[in-house]
Amino acid sequence: DAKTTQPNSMESNEEEPVHLPCNHSTISGTDYIHWYRQLPSQGPEYVIHGLTSNVNNRMASLAIAEDRKSSTLILHRATLRDAAVYYCILPKTSYDKVIFGPGTSLSVIP
Amino acid sequence: DTAVSQTPKYLVTQMGNDKSIKCEQNLGHDTMYWYKQDSKKFLKIMFSYNNKELIINETVPNRFSPKSPDKAHLNLHINSLELGDSAVYFCASSLDRAGGGYTFGSGTRLTVV
Repeated sequence: DAKTTQPNSMESNEEEPVHLPCNHSTISGTDYIHWYRQLPSQGPEYVIHGLTSNVNNRMASLAIAEDRKSSTLILHRATLRDAAVYYCILPKTSYDKVIFGPGTSLSVIP
Repeated sequence: DTAVSQTPKYLVTQMGNDKSIKCEQNLGHDTMYWYKQDSKKFLKIMFSYNNKELIINETVPNRFSPKSPDKAHLNLHINSLELGDSAVYFCASSLDRAGGGYTFGSGTRLTVV
């Protein structure tokens, strides 16, 4: 799988937007960009994924650079419940050998 | 109903013992996985099964043996437990091998003393 690079940690104030970056300069043309998050003492949960166009869902937005070498997960209004480790991964057509980690640990300050 | 459920949630056992962790998914997914999360927060795949067939077996000691009685279940048996086996183990499933998103269980924290 192509390698991804994320900051180890970020902080945000509650109710402010958060932009979580991910670099994936070796991405191939068919790699989807997936984001997961892991809340404390839970398994990772799916957040969003995209290929080329920006994507929105009820949890977040995903902004993908035109050259696809980077992407940004956007949480529009951070809540305390959004404090988690966020993983950016680029699975191939199967998830078989995906490694999650280390991701970005997001802290939300009340 | 929990989509991917694994039991037990916590497991404390002595070195040398044999233990099992069970996993069941009610999503109708074809592919199931076992992941190990180490202290550095990496989740690394151990095994992957597609329709009861082993398709991925990463570099894992042969003391670890997965068993899939049907496509909704993937259990993990560990023989002769060692201190280094202490970790959190996650079961997951996905619709098929073509991707579409993982659904993870809540994890089993194994502590070997």
